[in-house]
Amino acid sequence: EPEVTQTPSHQVTQMGQEVILRCVPISNHLYFYWYRQILGQKVEFLVSFYNNEISEKSEIFDDQFSVERPDGSNFTLKIRSTKLEDSAMYFCASSLTGTNTGELFFGEGSRLTVL
Amino acid sequence: GEDVEQSLFLSVREGDSSVINCTYTDSSSTYLYWYKQEPGAGLQLLTYIFSNMDMKQDQRLTVLLNKKDKHLSLRIADTQTGDSAIYFCAEIHNDYKLSFGAGTTVTVRA
Repeated sequence: EPEVTQTPSHQVTQMGQEVILRCVPISNHLYFYWYRQILGQKVEFLVSFYNNEISEKSEIFDDQFSVERPDGSNFTLKIRSTKLEDSAMYFCASSLTGTNTGELFFGEGSRLTVL
Repeated sequence: GEDVEQSLFLSVREGDSSVINCTYTDSSSTYLYWYKQEPGAGLQLLTYIFSNMDMKQDQRLTVLLNKKDKHLSLRIADTQTGDSAIYFCAEIHNDYKLSFGAGTTVTVRA
């Protein structure tokens, strides 16, 4: 069964360092998303991406964050200068036709720990 | 507003039915979702319901939607130990964004 894959599964970094989280969405999907879950809190929307541009972003997604689809398969989330409060589980998701038409599939997540 | 509310904990005996409840706020939501998260794992899409339906059944799972009261429930029949997990309710606001509840931790006891 096709799935969304994410790497790394866990990354530990020092505050101020740049981090890139990688995702390989399901191959025929067109809409891509990043969500995050701070320990013990709700899953929060960060950003959506379609047709090589950001469709929507939340207040959390400030100038420290960026997304890119550098080739036909990867979808990356970059945090330029990590802060302690960026420690969270980051989930990538993809969907064939956007979330108003049914299924949104999530990856296993990348746990980011900022020290 | 964007607010999805769920009860935080549910304890159920193996073999009994579990019912997890959720309320949402956006009456224009077209789809409502249930995701399952096992310890240390990702979000697994369990089932979803289109807003013009009031019930959907999928094997042991039954989703009930009361659109008037903006109330969604997930019933798991014959609950097993493998059903122990956190269950998230989510609603859509537009083409691109889900809002999640805080999750209900279901503990299945023998």
